[in-house]
Amino acid sequence: GDSVTQMEGPVTLSEEAFLTINCTYTATGYPSLFWYVQYPGEGLQLLLKATKADDKGSNKGFEATYRKETTSFHLEKGSVQVSDSAVYFCALRGSYNTDKLIFGTGTRLQVFP
Amino acid sequence: GAVVSQHPSRVICKSGTSVKIECRSLDFQATTMFWYRQFPKQSLMLMATSNEGSKATYEQGVEKDKFLINHASLTLSTLTVTSAHPEDSSFYICSARDPRAQYFGPGTRLLVL
Repeated sequence: GDSVTQMEGPVTLSEEAFLTINCTYTATGYPSLFWYVQYPGEGLQLLLKATKADDKGSNKGFEATYRKETTSFHLEKGSVQVSDSAVYFCALRGSYNTDKLIFGTGTRLQVFP
Repeated sequence: GAVVSQHPSRVICKSGTSVKIECRSLDFQATTMFWYRQFPKQSLMLMATSNEGSKATYEQGVEKDKFLINHASLTLSTLTVTSAHPEDSSFYICSARDPRAQYFGPGTRLLVL
């Protein structure tokens, strides 16, 4: 079945460092891909998404490109801030189910000043 | 953006008792709500899809008689863990869908002693 694998955390960075959180997926057809972020004490929020191959999702300085050839959707940010500290979840929605989201395990990011 | 609340945020109960968790969409009507469960260092796992006015659809392996779901109105869905046992201790997250996106609640941590 469909699945998402993302790197384990925590990822610890200094402010202004470059961030990469790896995410790979297994799915039939052409899934949509998402990154969600969960700040402490809050619900998951959609950070960005891509719905077809080679699409790039971007928001708040974060980017991720839908790579079908490598089945990946890695999250990147050029310069992280302390306020980016949160848990990041990669997820997919399969081609044939418009509601069901399949999540990775989440990666905790800690950014220190 | 849209807000989804959950109550309670944390609950501790004795083994054998039942626990009810509420999920509310605060500023929109949600015909569909979802219940997820998350174990430490694991993915969010979809438990069931709750449709207003009809029976919930449970994922494979989820006991519908143990995890009772009621979606009586367009803004409220409840999950009742019946005869809870220590293995039911987990983090339960709901989400609600409007035509544009899914919005997640902050989660409820259940500890069964």
